[in-house]
Parts: sequence; C-alpha cells; structure tokens
Amino acid sequence: AQKVTQAQTEISVVEKEDVTLDCVYETRDTTYYLFWYKQPPSGELVFLIRRNSFDEQNEISGRYSWNFQKSTSSFNFTITASQVVDSAVYFCALSDNIGNEKLTFGTGTRLTIIP
Amino acid sequence: GAVVSQHPSWVICKSGTSVKIECRSLDFQATTMFWYRQFPKQSLMLMATSNEGSKATYEQGVEKDKFLINHASLTLSTLTVTSAHPEDSSFYICSARLPGLANEQYFGPGTRLTVT
Repeated sequence: AQKVTQAQTEISVVEKEDVTLDCVYETRDTTYYLFWYKQPPSGELVFLIRRNSFDEQNEISGRYSWNFQKSTSSFNFTITASQVVDSAVYFCALSDNIGNEKLTFGTGTRLTIIP
Repeated sequence: GAVVSQHPSWVICKSGTSVKIECRSLDFQATTMFWYRQFPKQSLMLMATSNEGSKATYEQGVEKDKFLINHASLTLSTLTVTSAHPEDSSFYICSARLPGLANEQYFGPGTRLTVT
C-alpha cells in the first residue's frame, strides 16, 4: 500500500524567511510519481510539480525548489524568501504508474507567512 | 493550462434530498476523472474513479448507491449524493486526467455541500 507522510502539520514563518516542507513516502512500486499541490484558502488545488521516480534531479522554479532523495524516500519542498501569498495548505501526493494512477495524498502542511 | 470547472461551487440542501455536482474539463477531453472529499482541515480522500462510458470504481468504504457517479461524455462527470444527511456535508473536489501525460491531474475548484 502507498503512504505519504507530512509530519509538519502547521508551520509559521516570518515573511522573507526560507521554509522547507517535508514529505516522506512509502511504495513498493519501482515506477511512481510524486507531486506537490498548493491549496489556498479558496480551496482550489494548484498543481506545483510532478516528478517521476527515475528523475532524481532537483528542480528549481523561481522561489520554489524540490529535493528528491530516493535513498530516504523523501521529496521535500523549499520556498525561498517567503511571501504572504505563499500562505496555504501544501499537499504532497504519490501515484503509481499502472491502472488508473490514483493519487494518495499526505495530510498536508498548513503554512502561514507572517508579514 | 488545463481547466476543470465544478458546478455548483456551494450548495445547501435539506436532509433526505439529493444533490448533483458537475465536473467539466473545459479545454481537453478526459477519459478518467476522480472524485475526492475533504473534511475541514483534513486531506483529500479519493472516493471513486470515473471512466467515460463505464461504471465508476469506488474506493473501499464508499457507498456506490449513495454516491452515484456518471461519466457520460469525455468532458463531463457527475456526482449525485442521494438522500443526503448532515454527515455528508463536506468539500467535494473532482479532478480530470490529461490524456497522454503520466497522471497529470487538474483539479476543479471544489463544491462545498452543507446538509441541514
């Protein structure tokens, strides 16, 4: 069975600080996909990134960066120079590569950026 | 990017009535759509996978006779909550999978259901 753990329930940081959201996953599949989604107060999930299990390169997109470590089954997300608009709930998710490719979500991390 | 809409965005209904929620992929065809529910301050739980032209696949513990799913076209899936009760009050979110790309799902804005 697949499982995604986001141990940090809530995080608060002061604006402009860097913050890292942790994600640890479990799967028996050799091919799988990892995702991060942002859910602002409006409720709509915003897709941030998808990474397949064969691509361990770290990725940077503006102030966002992702660190995929297969050896520790982690896919952490860092926001640099945080802004108030980054305040949201962030979900890490995992899917397999067969069948309907269902997403298994972590419990989410509520990030609050204090101005 | 791909756009998924849901209608209505919120609905209040009386206990015992049925409510239909629509999920549409606006600029792409989706053979597969997913329905999730999310309780306040909790994660998304997959309810069912909806495949165009065939019966939905429900997750364990989800009553298929209570949550009727119809995926009649490549751009529309509907979720009907039958004989709603207050415990069905939740945030219902659909997603549609982009064809050809490995599990790239785009989510609708969600529907907040309140059963009184």
